[in-house]
Amino acid sequence: QKEVEQNSGPLSVPEGAIASLNCTYSDRGSQSFFWYRQYSGKSPELIMFIYSNGDKEDGRFTAQLNKASQYVSLLIRDSQPSDSATYLCAAYAITSGTYKYIFGTGTRLKVLA
Amino acid sequence: GAGVSQSPSNKVTEKGKDVELRCDPISGHTALYWYRQSLGQGLEFLIYFQGNSAPDKSGLPSDRFSAERTGGSVSTLTIQRTQQEDSAVYLCASSWAPNEQFFGPGTRLTVL
Repeated sequence: QKEVEQNSGPLSVPEGAIASLNCTYSDRGSQSFFWYRQYSGKSPELIMFIYSNGDKEDGRFTAQLNKASQYVSLLIRDSQPSDSATYLCAAYAITSGTYKYIFGTGTRLKVLA
Repeated sequence: GAGVSQSPSNKVTEKGKDVELRCDPISGHTALYWYRQSLGQGLEFLIYFQGNSAPDKSGLPSDRFSAERTGGSVSTLTIQRTQQEDSAVYLCASSWAPNEQFFGPGTRLTVL
């Protein structure tokens, strides 16, 4: 079992729809969670981070965290073709005094015009 | 620019040669990470430096790979006796403790 799992996709949604990206993690010691966006041929860039249970909203993006179920999600409202990219979920944990920052393999999102 | 920089941006080498890839992190960031990303694939963790602690080398794929970080700042990833399967984009990232990672633009390595 991978420590951070994501569906590789592609996830295709029509323009204007809500895109829902999901991520599960195995280490219950994970404390912080990050969503990065990576355009083809570019480096990842942070979209949002979350460390408390519940929702966190930033513009069209909402991150959701459920520690009991060990999943994190990212909702993109009013999806635009420019949102087409790979979305990487990452979890940060401290285990036995060692920091771990684990990335999932990413979900490719396609927003269809 | 205050971002993470990497050099060279592109490197083409012949099989069997050694290469050095450089990363300049954001000033003040204590953590530095190296990743490898093959075409269409996810990030493959290679090595992690945190302050003055011993680096986490658990992701290095073979003993041909090594990295150092001098003075808690600049890092160099060295690949000895390169193989064709080493061809990938090598990404460096830095962060302040458990916060977000800032990625450099990457070095595209092609081994002929």
